[in-house]
Amino acid sequence: DAKTTQPPSMDCAEGRAANLPCNHSTISGNEYVYWYRQIHSQGPQYIIHGLKNNETNEMASLIITEDRKSSTLILPHATLRDTAVYYCIVRGQRYNFNKFYFGSGTKLNVKP
Amino acid sequence: EAQVTQNPRYLITVTGKKLTVTCSQNMNHEYMSWYRQDPGLGLRQIYYSMNVEVTDKGDVPEGYKVSRKEKRNFPLILESPSPNQTSLYFCASSSGLQGPGSPLHFGNGTRLTVT
Repeated sequence: DAKTTQPPSMDCAEGRAANLPCNHSTISGNEYVYWYRQIHSQGPQYIIHGLKNNETNEMASLIITEDRKSSTLILPHATLRDTAVYYCIVRGQRYNFNKFYFGSGTKLNVKP
Repeated sequence: EAQVTQNPRYLITVTGKKLTVTCSQNMNHEYMSWYRQDPGLGLRQIYYSMNVEVTDKGDVPEGYKVSRKEKRNFPLILESPSPNQTSLYFCASSSGLQGPGSPLHFGNGTRLTVT
């Protein structure tokens, strides 16, 4: 599966939008981009996923570039409870679509 | 409420004493898997199951066993635990019908300490 690259940490002011970038330059045409977050040592929480089009749900928006080599997760109004490690994952069918490879993620610090 | 339930949440045991960590999901998911999470190593897949009686090794299967006799349950068995299996364990499930477009849902974790 394609590797992803994320910044190790980011800060965001409470109430502002948090934009978390992810590079996945080796993604192939049938691979999905998934975002999860993990608060402390809880189980990773699913946020959103997409294939080609931008996606939005009640938690966040996912913007995927036209060439699909990068994406951005947007939390429109970050709160202190959004402080977590955010993982960008590319999931596809190269050999096992049920393997999720979690990298190091981005530690998002939301500050008052 | 749709969920993946693991038990116990915390477990302290001694080397060599067999233990089982249970995992159950109520979403009728075909696919289930186990991960361990260690500092600096991220989440690594131990075993997975595509359906009842179908299991396969993940990236770090040594020292673990699993079984899938019922669709909802996927226990993780440590026949002879060792200190290097001290870790945070997560069970996860997803619908296999949608392929890679189906999200993986995680349990709340089991923190295992082997002394």
